[in-house]
Amino acid sequence: SQTIHQWPATLVQPVGSPLSLECTVEGTSNPNLYWYRQAAGRGLQLLFYSVGIGQISSEVPQNLSASRPQDRQFILSSKKLLLSDSGFYLCAWSVPAGKPGANVLTFGAGSRLTVL
Amino acid sequence: AQKVTQAQTEISVVEKEDVTLDCVYETRDTTYYLFWYKQPPSGELVFLIRRNSFDEQNEISGRYSWNFQKSTSSFNFTITASQVVDSAVYFCALSGLKAAGNKLTFGGGTRVLVKP
Repeated sequence: SQTIHQWPATLVQPVGSPLSLECTVEGTSNPNLYWYRQAAGRGLQLLFYSVGIGQISSEVPQNLSASRPQDRQFILSSKKLLLSDSGFYLCAWSVPAGKPGANVLTFGAGSRLTVL
Repeated sequence: AQKVTQAQTEISVVEKEDVTLDCVYETRDTTYYLFWYKQPPSGELVFLIRRNSFDEQNEISGRYSWNFQKSTSSFNFTITASQVVDSAVYFCALSGLKAAGNKLTFGGGTRVLVKP
């Protein structure tokens, strides 16, 4: 069966410090991968998605970047965090388009980031 | 552009009452998927249902039921005989069948509080 791991679960960082959140998926190959952010009391905003190694699509211009160095690894980074980067970050995966179950996203447990 | 609106930000009910969550969507796609996800206090999003725009039949799963009305662009969700464990934030989401990267657009969420 497929599993998705996301870490760290919680993170408190000072303004201006770097960020690295990691997400890995097991039990599947060539998944679509996603990073969503949920600000306090608000909905989910898609930040990045990837349909393959090295292929990153950015949805919202911001202080963050994403990378996919391996098929089942997705990393969210920042060189200098802002206060507005605080939030709950969720990684998700889905099977590629055209496959059974496509469009159904399975989410990780999330990473709660507080920037002070 | 796609848009999902969940007008109810918070609903409070007493256990065993029924609760209906509204979801209205906008899309130019002729074929699309609609979803409901549950986010319990732990934070992880749990997939509940995916409905294809071709299929307007209502669906029931235990205490959960969904009413898809294409004519009014609505996909409402009812919890019958609510229980305390149903307390969570519920998100409605939309994805075009051929959306690049199978991206989901989420509504703002409805927080359901079931009191004993």
